[in-house]
Formats: sequence, structure tokens, C-alpha cells
Amino acid sequence: QVQLQESGPGLVKPSETLSLTCGISGGLIGTFYWNWIRQSPEKGLEWVGYIYKDGSAKYNPSLKSRVTISIDTSKSKFTLSLSSVTAADTAVYYCARGVPTGEDAFDIWGQGAKVTVSS
Amino acid sequence: EIVLAQSPGTLSLSPGERATLSCRASQSVTISYLAWYQQKPGQAPRLLIFGASRRATGIPDRFRVSGSGTDFTLTIARLEPEDSAVYFCQQFADSVTFGQGTKVEVK
Repeated sequence: QVQLQESGPGLVKPSETLSLTCGISGGLIGTFYWNWIRQSPEKGLEWVGYIYKDGSAKYNPSLKSRVTISIDTSKSKFTLSLSSVTAADTAVYYCARGVPTGEDAFDIWGQGAKVTVSS
Repeated sequence: EIVLAQSPGTLSLSPGERATLSCRASQSVTISYLAWYQQKPGQAPRLLIFGASRRATGIPDRFRVSGSGTDFTLTIARLEPEDSAVYFCQQFADSVTFGQGTKVEVK
């Protein structure tokens, strides 16, 4: 049974870089797309981006200039970096697996990591 | 960006009744590029259905989707108390966007 677990700081200062890691257990990175999705009361659910095992990535156009997602297949983890954060980036951040058939629907989610941007 | 508008905001029904949730897209979307999720308090969203009729593991056939163009519906038959949750639609025809959710109360 594949499980995902987010980890990282719960508090980030404005203008700094938010960094979160998603650990994958119980399964292989395989041929799945690995995603970051965030949720806040103000914006609801917002897809951040995904990465594939070969390192190719795709990002939400609204965040593209500030987002980098990387993957370490040897350690079964992938990482989100979001630069120049503001209070608007305060959210619960989820990592999620894309469905096996390759569509951008998400069948396995982590429990979520709450990140607050504040000085 | 394709904007998804869900209605109603809240639906209050009794066990055994049928829930009809609407998801309207700002431009035409093929139902094959839609997904629906259920989220309970303090939990991550859970995939229900994607690609028109593909149910995620363990999802009963009480959950069905229909629609075309810009108007789509999630129907939950024979409501049970554990169906109480917020339901989101999502499109992946053009990038990925989510609706704002419909809260279903079953009591």
C-alpha cells in the first residue's frame, strides 16, 4: 500500500523559500506523476505542479516563476521549492500521486503539511 | 484558465435520499477530463471518480457522474451518514483546476 508523507518547516518568513519533501513508501516511483497540491480557505484547492521520474516537470502557470519540483528516485522522495513567499502562500500542502493511467487525477494523497508564512 | 463553479454551496439531506451536485465549467470540457473528490474534516481529498466512469478503489456505484459541455453532475444515490463531506470537481483538460466545493450534510 503506497503511502505519502510530507515533511518540512511549518513556518516560513515572507520573501524566503518554502521547501517541502514528500516521502514515498510501500511502492516504487514507477511511471507515475508526482504532484503538489495546496489548499487554503481563500483559494481552495490549487494544483502546484508535478514531476516525473525522469525529472521532467510541469507547473501551474500562475506559480511557474517561483516553483521548482525535484525528484530523488534513489530515496523515493520528491521536493517542492517555492520562492519569494508571501502570506498568500499560507496553506496546507499535499503531495499526491497521479492515477496509473496517466491522467491528471490524484488517487493517493499525503496527510498534508500546514505551512504558515509570517514574520 | 478553466474556472469551475459548484452549486449549491451546501446540501442538507436525509439518509436514503439522492444528492445532486453541480459543476459548471467556464468553457467546454470533455467529461473524460473531469474528476470528483470527497473531503472530510481534517483529511486529504479522496478520489471518487475520474474520466467519466472510472471509480477509484473502493468507491461504490452509488456515486455516478454525468453531463457534457460545461455542465456536469455528481449524483450520490441512497445517501448514508458517512457521505457527509465536501465534494470537489476538478478538470484536467487545460492545466488543472478545482471547483470550490459543495458541502453535503446527511442527517
